[in-house]
Amino acid sequence: DQQVKQNSPSLSVQEGRISILNCDYTNSMFDYFLWYKKYPAEGPTFLISISSIKDKNEDGRFTVFLNKSAKHLSLHIVPSQPGDSAVYFCAASAQSGGSNYKLTFGKGTLLTVNP
Amino acid sequence: NAGVTQTPKFQVLKTGQSMTLQCAQDMNHEYMSWYRQDPGMGLRLIHYSVGAGITDQGEVPNGYNVSRSTTEDFPLRLLSAAPSQTSVYFCASSRDYTGANVLTFGAGSRLTVL
Repeated sequence: DQQVKQNSPSLSVQEGRISILNCDYTNSMFDYFLWYKKYPAEGPTFLISISSIKDKNEDGRFTVFLNKSAKHLSLHIVPSQPGDSAVYFCAASAQSGGSNYKLTFGKGTLLTVNP
Repeated sequence: NAGVTQTPKFQVLKTGQSMTLQCAQDMNHEYMSWYRQDPGMGLRLIHYSVGAGITDQGEVPNGYNVSRSTTEDFPLRLLSAAPSQTSVYFCASSRDYTGANVLTFGAGSRLTVL
C-alpha cells in the first residue's frame, strides 16, 4: 500500500520557467511533509518542509503548497535553473501515535531543466 | 564537519556471504536510520534507532540486522546476502524525531549481490 505517491516519474521544463512537482498521500495521520532533492551518486538533501497547520511555505525559489482536503501537495520552483535537474522525493511523517520516527517516501520525480 | 559517513561506497558479494555496512555521524544526532533505494521504488525504511541501545524495524527489515551501541554508529548487517538485496543503501540521521524529522543522509553504499 503506497501511502505517498508521486505519479509523474519525470518532468522536463525550460530554464526560467516554472517547475511543478506533485505528490498525493493517503494516510490522513500525516502532519509533516518534506521535499528532498537527490543528485546522481549522492545522498538526498533536504529542500523544504511544511506542517499540516499551514497551506504554503516558501524558501527562495521553492514554494510548497498543501491541500489537506485533497491530500495533495506540490513543489513549485520559479524560475527553474539547469542546476535544479535532479530527482525530487516527497516524504511524509505522522507525529501522533509515535510513528513520527518514520519518514515515508514517494518514488521520486526526475526533473530535467533544459538550458 | 563530516556529517554522515558511509563505508564502503561499493561492494560486490556472492549469494550467502555476510557483510556489514558502516554508518557514522558526528552531529550527536539521536535518531539514525537505514533506507534502501531501488529503481521505481523510492526510498524504503529498513531499520531505525531513536538512541543508543534502541532499535526497531522499518518497512523492509527481513534479511538485515542492526545494533546501536553508541550514539555515533549504526551498522547494518546482511547475514546471508541474496540477489534481492542488490540496492543502494543510505544511512540517515536527525537531531531528534519530533516535528518534521529532517534527515541528513550519507552518500550511499552501492551493493551488488551475485
